Amino acid sequence: DAGVTQSPTHLIKTRGQQVTLRCSPKSGHDTVSWYQQALGQGPQFIFQYYEEEERQRGNFPDRFSGHQFPNYSSELNVNALLLGDSALYLCASSLIGGASTEAFFGQGTRLTVV
Amino acid sequence: RKEVEQDPGPFNVPEGATVAFNCTYSNSASQSFFWYRQDCRKEPKLLMSVYSSGNEDGRFTAQLNRASQYISLLIRDSKLSDSATYLCVVEGGTSGTYKYIFGTGTRLKVLA
Repeated sequence: DAGVTQSPTHLIKTRGQQVTLRCSPKSGHDTVSWYQQALGQGPQFIFQYYEEEERQRGNFPDRFSGHQFPNYSSELNVNALLLGDSALYLCASSLIGGASTEAFFGQGTRLTVV
Repeated sequence: RKEVEQDPGPFNVPEGATVAFNCTYSNSASQSFFWYRQDCRKEPKLLMSVYSSGNEDGRFTAQLNRASQYISLLIRDSKLSDSATYLCVVEGGTSGTYKYIFGTGTRLKVLA
């Protein structure tokens, strides 16, 4: 049973560029959430996708956008990258209406903006 | 005030010690509570869910006090392999019900 997978694992981008991160949820899960984790901090919620729609959004600018595909996989896009966007980006999957709301995390994509 | 607050530590304890972590949350309507463990530069992994009745998993015991909006994690007989950051997680918050809200994490180092 494949867990949550993310790609790429590491990425280096230049300020002003755009980046796309990808996530495949755990088998049987239908909901994908994205988090940003800066060094020494807890993960911060970016947004959640369910049924191909953004269900809820955290306090992040519109430069952060996403998408969910019919197979439940998801993408996170960040435009006009800033140095402060350097962080570990985590994808978590869960099942709406399941016995538990526990979320399972992928290994993350470490983004460095230079 | 942060929605979820934890003592960042670090907690340095000898092997075999008992250590307790505490966490407070601000939204009384929060629905679900968890402890996650995160090793350096790795993803968070679910350690245990937290219930009002308390729950135990081997050397780990979690407690929830809804009246005080307080969550705890007790680790007995600490092992070197317990060294990690422990994240308190509350589902739901002041502005929604679907997201996980993380504390900043408490660092634990178990010393030989």
